[in-house]
Amino acid sequence: DTAVSQTPKYLVTQMGNDKSIKCEQNLGHDTMYWYKQDSKKFLKIMFSYNNKELIINETVPNRFSPKSPDKAHLNLHINSLELGDSAVYFCASSSRDGKDIQYFGAGTRLSVL
Amino acid sequence: EDQVTQSPEALRLQEGESSSLNCSYTVSGLRGLFWYRQDPGKGPEFLFTLYSAGEEKEKERLKATLTKKESFLHITAPKPEDSATYLCAVQALYNQGGKLIFGQGTELSVKP
Repeated sequence: DTAVSQTPKYLVTQMGNDKSIKCEQNLGHDTMYWYKQDSKKFLKIMFSYNNKELIINETVPNRFSPKSPDKAHLNLHINSLELGDSAVYFCASSSRDGKDIQYFGAGTRLSVL
Repeated sequence: EDQVTQSPEALRLQEGESSSLNCSYTVSGLRGLFWYRQDPGKGPEFLFTLYSAGEEKEKERLKATLTKKESFLHITAPKPEDSATYLCAVQALYNQGGKLIFGQGTELSVKP
């Protein structure tokens, strides 16, 4: 069973379109994250949710809107896509057990043309 | 500002040739330092967490160590299957939400 799963794995779209990426975890964790990895493989946090509550919003354009319907899901909706949004987006989850180990999904490669 | 710098950016080794990867960090109080491995087209895979200076963790051919300013990932007698990008990240003591601050990674290539 995949612990953190993201869909789709690849997303190719035109500038100006709106798209969503879905993330689900079956680890029973209460905290979920979105990270962006650029072409130089630099991973940077975008959002963090704990028990469906937004904890971190790391100066991300408001075209990006995360939504957490429940503790096991954290989706990312992106409006009016721009060329600079092309990257790999990773979802992760962790438990507030003192270890705070984050487990990552396989990533969604977004290409904006 | 909390920051992580990894060196070298890329490392090529022959099978069996031991070496070390460096992770230098500045953070306003360290909660934990994390090492991840990332294979092409996959998400980061957790390897180790270190919490205090002097701590060491081992897993197969990998050994991670921590000082107050840096961490090393020692690779002993590497095999081709150890080829991957190794990522270091820190978590600050007072940050909210479990934010990890990553370095840019070291891309390791081990040739047979």
